[in-house]
Amino acid sequence: GAVVSQHPSWVICKSGTSVKIECRSLDFQATTMFWYRQFPKQSLMLMATSNEGSKATYEQGVEKDKFLINHASLTLSTLTVTSAHPEDSSFYICSARVQGHQPQHFGDGTRLSIL
Amino acid sequence: GDSVTQMEGPVTLSEEAFLTINCTYTATGYPSLFWYVQYPGEGLQLLLKATKADDKGSNKGFEATYRKETTSFHLEKGSVQVSDSAVYFCALSGESGNTPLVFGKGTRLSVIA
Repeated sequence: GAVVSQHPSWVICKSGTSVKIECRSLDFQATTMFWYRQFPKQSLMLMATSNEGSKATYEQGVEKDKFLINHASLTLSTLTVTSAHPEDSSFYICSARVQGHQPQHFGDGTRLSIL
Repeated sequence: GDSVTQMEGPVTLSEEAFLTINCTYTATGYPSLFWYVQYPGEGLQLLLKATKADDKGSNKGFEATYRKETTSFHLEKGSVQVSDSAVYFCALSGESGNTPLVFGKGTRLSVIA
């Protein structure tokens, strides 16, 4: 079946550091990728949608200068959390699909802890 | 806009008990409906789906039927196991298929031996 690989799975770093998370579709071409954030014991909050080769579309309230998304190829999207602070600590999950098709396939998530 | 409402948890059951997790939706047209499962510390895995009214999705003993008349997609399993302990998310995709999934808030299931 469709596989989405997300890396790293766990990051611990100091406040002020920028952190990059990669999301790869391993066996299909993902024209559309999504980035979600999940707080403990809560549902997924959509942060942004990116289509390959286009600028990401951010959800209301998500700072695009804080959360930089790049989707330069059909198999790779990256989320960079710039100048991370403790309040950015969370579980980030990426998802990918072929445009116009369902379902979305999810990575295993990245747990980000900012000290 | 489209929305999904699922029963609040947590749900605690004994092994071999019957499971129902209710899910209802609001959407225009004919959305596709999904159940995803999230095991501790992991991402989401697609459990089952249904793309049109009266379709029944099934997988690993779980099943759910797309009921247009009641706008529901309840998840059921006849006999749960400890390994089924996880968070279950009901989700829908709009009719066009080009919008992100809309998720319910999730229901945490704990199965005790």
